[in-house]
Amino acid sequence: QVQLEQSGPRLVRPSQTLSLTCAISGDSVSSNTAVWYWIRQSPSRGLVWLGRTYYRSRWLYDSAVSVSSRISVNPDTSKNQFSLHLSSVTPEDTAVYYCARGLAGTGAFDVWGQGTMVTVSS
Amino acid sequence: EIVLTQSPGTLSLSPGERATLSCRASQSIRGNYLTWYQQKPGQAPRLLIYGASSRATGVPDRFSGSGSGTDFTLTISRLEPEDSAVYYCQQHGTLPTFGQGTKVEI
Repeated sequence: QVQLEQSGPRLVRPSQTLSLTCAISGDSVSSNTAVWYWIRQSPSRGLVWLGRTYYRSRWLYDSAVSVSSRISVNPDTSKNQFSLHLSSVTPEDTAVYYCARGLAGTGAFDVWGQGTMVTVSS
Repeated sequence: EIVLTQSPGTLSLSPGERATLSCRASQSIRGNYLTWYQQKPGQAPRLLIYGASSRATGVPDRFSGSGSGTDFTLTISRLEPEDSAVYYCQQHGTLPTFGQGTKVEI
């Protein structure tokens, strides 16, 4: 059974970097079939994907245009986890952040982390 | 970016009734990569239907999905009280996007 466990601070100051980690059990971050995502949810914007990383003979990454200049999604094979770093945050980045696994060949997110409510405030 | 529009915004029904939820895409979804999720308060979304019509593991058969191209439907036959939730559609024909959700009240 695949599980994702999120960790990271719940309060981030404006202009600082939001950092979250998603620990994977039951699968490998280096899987050739899975894709690892970060998604956030807020009342004003709903569910929005932010970025992803995956391994297909080499590490690949991409991100939503809206955050592309501020985001990095990094795998950590030694700990079987991946992380989100979102720089220069503003109060508009306040949201529940989820990590999720993309189900191979379907475009669906079949496993989700528990969610982390992150507030950007001074 | 493909925009998904869900309707209605809220559906109020009684146990045992049938719920029909709509998801319309701004352009045709490649490969019918259309997914439905159920989300209850304080929880992460739960995968119900992928590939427009395939039920995920453990999902009761009262949940079914249909549609293709730009018009998709999630049907919940014989509603049960635990089906109260917000339901989202999501596409991944291109980079993923989500609908705004339909709240089902029972």
